[in-house]
Amino acid sequence: SQQGEEDPQALSIQEGENATMNCSYKTSINNLQWYRQNSGRGLVHLILIRSNEREKHSGRLRVTLDTSKKSSSLLITASRAADTASYFCATDTGGFKTIFGAGTRLFVKA
Amino acid sequence: NAGVTQTPKFQVLKTGQSMTLQCAQDMNHNSMYWYRQDPGMGLRLIYYSASEGTTDKGEVPNGYNVSRLNKREFSLRLESAAPSQTSVYFCASSELGRASDTQYFGPGTRLTVL
Repeated sequence: SQQGEEDPQALSIQEGENATMNCSYKTSINNLQWYRQNSGRGLVHLILIRSNEREKHSGRLRVTLDTSKKSSSLLITASRAADTASYFCATDTGGFKTIFGAGTRLFVKA
Repeated sequence: NAGVTQTPKFQVLKTGQSMTLQCAQDMNHNSMYWYRQDPGMGLRLIYYSASEGTTDKGEVPNGYNVSRLNKREFSLRLESAAPSQTSVYFCASSELGRASDTQYFGPGTRLTVL
């Protein structure tokens, strides 16, 4: 079974609005990462948050981590049409393996 | 600096045929990975190579074999393709192979097995 599960599965918003997507996981983690995938392309790393961190920012991205609830959220502020993509959370419990969730498909309408 | 490259981009096979997917990285990374991506599912790890000379099974290794040819190249072989192997295949690499490392992905190979 997958470790990380994103919610919602799909999200459609207007350009300029904020987009929030969530990731829940089942077992304790060391780190959680978010990746973006544009249609027909490979995944691109966005941000990593460690288990001892609660919030992290990178440009228009804000990631939070609540280890007590085993959940993370990715907020994209002032979204643009170019943010249209699928977003995946990826968790690791140590070692070599990273487990990817099924993703949230974001569509930003111009 | 091309990053991670994969060939071919598209492939159609008949059931029972074999083929090898090629992957190469020019970032001098130690670790390389093969994933498959199916609709509505995340990436599932097929095999990985923590370092040159080593390979290990991932979550869904059945029906696949891999070869870590050298530090740059990691190939995935389907010996007898089945329709269940229709998928998009991604190769990735990371510097040291720790799960916290950023993984760099290739553009993918879209495989259809008839």
